[in-house]
Amino acid sequence: GAVVSQHPSWVICKSGTSVKIECRSLDFQATTMFWYRQFPKQSLMLMATSNEGSKATYEQGVEKDKFLINHASLTLSTLTVTSAHPEDSSFYICSALDRGGEQFFGPGTRLTVL
Amino acid sequence: DAKTTQPPSMDCAEGRAANLPCNHSTISGNEYVYWYRQIHSQGPQYIIHGLKNNETNEMASLIITEDRKSSTLILPHATLRDTAVYYCIVRFDNAGNMLTFGGGTRLMVKP
Repeated sequence: GAVVSQHPSWVICKSGTSVKIECRSLDFQATTMFWYRQFPKQSLMLMATSNEGSKATYEQGVEKDKFLINHASLTLSTLTVTSAHPEDSSFYICSALDRGGEQFFGPGTRLTVL
Repeated sequence: DAKTTQPPSMDCAEGRAANLPCNHSTISGNEYVYWYRQIHSQGPQYIIHGLKNNETNEMASLIITEDRKSSTLILPHATLRDTAVYYCIVRFDNAGNMLTFGGGTRLMVKP
């Protein structure tokens, strides 16, 4: 089956720093990728839709200047959490859409902001 | 996409069948029923999906009622590794449609 990877799998950073998370579709091309956030004991919440070569579409309440998304190629989307604060600590999950419309999820990145 | 309702938690004995229900009474005619699961600290994993007919694959069976207002995911012989949160999602089966996750059912398989 299709494989989506994320890097890093976990990261700890100091408050005020920026963190970049990569999402790669390893064996297929994805014009669309999604970024989700999941707080402990809660469900996944869609943050934004990332389209290759164009600006991302953000869900209501998600600050586009704080969560920068770049989808520069058909196999890579990046999420940068700028000026991270402890309340940004969460599990960030990406998914990639294949040509058939199926979504494949990455393993997630656990961000801890001290 | 139509909303779904699932029990928040269920227990199942190892080796027995786990039957996870889902209500989707507002489902429209061309919306599919999808099931995903999420094992702790991992990304969601696709299990199965269907439109009208019952479906079976190597992981599970999906039973959809005739009126399509509810469905049941069946894990025929649950193992400890099946302990996870199971999400029932209805969506149009077209490219570009994101998934909206509800609360899911936390299945605990016990020895």
